[in-house]
Amino acid sequence: DGGITQSPKYLFRKEGQNVTLSCEQNLNHDAMYWYRQDPGQGLRLIYYSQIVNDFQKGDIAEGYSVSREKKESFPLTVTSAQKNPTAFYLCASSMVGTNQPQHFGDGTRLSIL
Amino acid sequence: GENVEQHPSTLSVQEGDSAVIKCTYSDSASNYFPWYKQELGKGPQLIIDIRSNVGEKKDQRIAVTLNKTAKHFSLHITETQPEDSAVYFCAASGGSARQLTFGSGTQLTVLP
Repeated sequence: DGGITQSPKYLFRKEGQNVTLSCEQNLNHDAMYWYRQDPGQGLRLIYYSQIVNDFQKGDIAEGYSVSREKKESFPLTVTSAQKNPTAFYLCASSMVGTNQPQHFGDGTRLSIL
Repeated sequence: GENVEQHPSTLSVQEGDSAVIKCTYSDSASNYFPWYKQELGKGPQLIIDIRSNVGEKKDQRIAVTLNKTAKHFSLHITETQPEDSAVYFCAASGGSARQLTFGSGTQLTVLP
């Protein structure tokens, strides 16, 4: 079955550590996205990429970094510069083009020890 | 940029009744409006979307209506069932904010 796989489902980070969240898709989509979800709030865009080796900042990119070396993969690194990293992180993908539906993975919940 | 407001934040209905969730958007150039359903511990799932060239779209028990003049769109769920209980998000895109802007979500509870 085609879909988006995020791993791990739960992740714990110590203060001052960087952690990397994995996102893989086999939908043959060119565009991929990372969102952050906090309790009682909507999804906020961190980074997005429309093609391999290119990505753009979203609304809340500070303290995060990404790479897009392969079409299928779009890992997100939460750096120690992110002051409030505890959240639910969602990865999505879509075809490139105007108003294409986005398909989501099941998320990674990051907590600070 | 785009701003999307969603109401209500929580909604409880009896099984079999209808549920309506409303969203307003600020950018008159927005032209794509998806709705997502998110179950606990899962990612959002697209349930229906509408583009600005139509005013209404239906898919079985789910319908979405769009009023471009008033800049609002609504999700209608008829004959609700307990499995409809979830958080529902609206979103908008296509204007100055080329990426999706999400509403804050509605927790729908269908009481048996």
